[in-house]
Amino acid sequence: SQQGEEDPQALSIQEGENATMNCSYKTSINNLQWYRQNSGRGLVHLILIRSNEREKHSGRLRVTLDTSKKSSSLLITASRAADTASYFCATDSGGGADGLTFGKGTHLIIQP
Amino acid sequence: DAGITQSPRHKVTETGTPVTLRCHQTENHRYMYWYRQDPGHGLRLIHYSYGVKDTDKGEVSDGYSVSRSKTEDFLLTLESATSSQTSVYFCAISALRATDNEQFFGPGTRLTVL
Repeated sequence: SQQGEEDPQALSIQEGENATMNCSYKTSINNLQWYRQNSGRGLVHLILIRSNEREKHSGRLRVTLDTSKKSSSLLITASRAADTASYFCATDSGGGADGLTFGKGTHLIIQP
Repeated sequence: DAGITQSPRHKVTETGTPVTLRCHQTENHRYMYWYRQDPGHGLRLIHYSYGVKDTDKGEVSDGYSVSRSKTEDFLLTLESATSSQTSVYFCAISALRATDNEQFFGPGTRLTVL
């Protein structure tokens, strides 16, 4: 069953603007992760936020986590054409070893 | 791609034939995973391994089997391929440090079952 659901499914913005994607999930989690997938490629890990954390930064990425609402957001600031990709949230509910549960993804297009 | 290779990268086969996909890692990570990716479904876990000869089922394991005889290799077998198994298959590995289980993905295998 799908744990995470990203919103929106697709997003198109101008280069330089900020992009915000949201993820909602259903059950309690140990951590939530965001991945990027360029067309035809494997997924690349971007950032992990633990259930006891509320916000985390990595370069131009900012992730928030609200466990009371079972939601997370990924903000990409000052977007670049190279940020064009699909972005997936993934949750770990089982303690780590037994895989992640992925959402369906947000397809982000950065217009030059 | 973090020392992960998948073979073959593309395969076309016919319904009813057996198919084996291989994942090879050079990172010596203990945990390995097979996912499939389909439009409208995101990635779904098929099987995973937590050590040599230690495997378990994921969300969509029906019709698939796996084997891990060496740390570096994780094989996914479709005993009798069906058209519903047409998909892109990704292997992933994880070092699992405490509760931080970020995964590193291979480049994927695109399988078409006619």
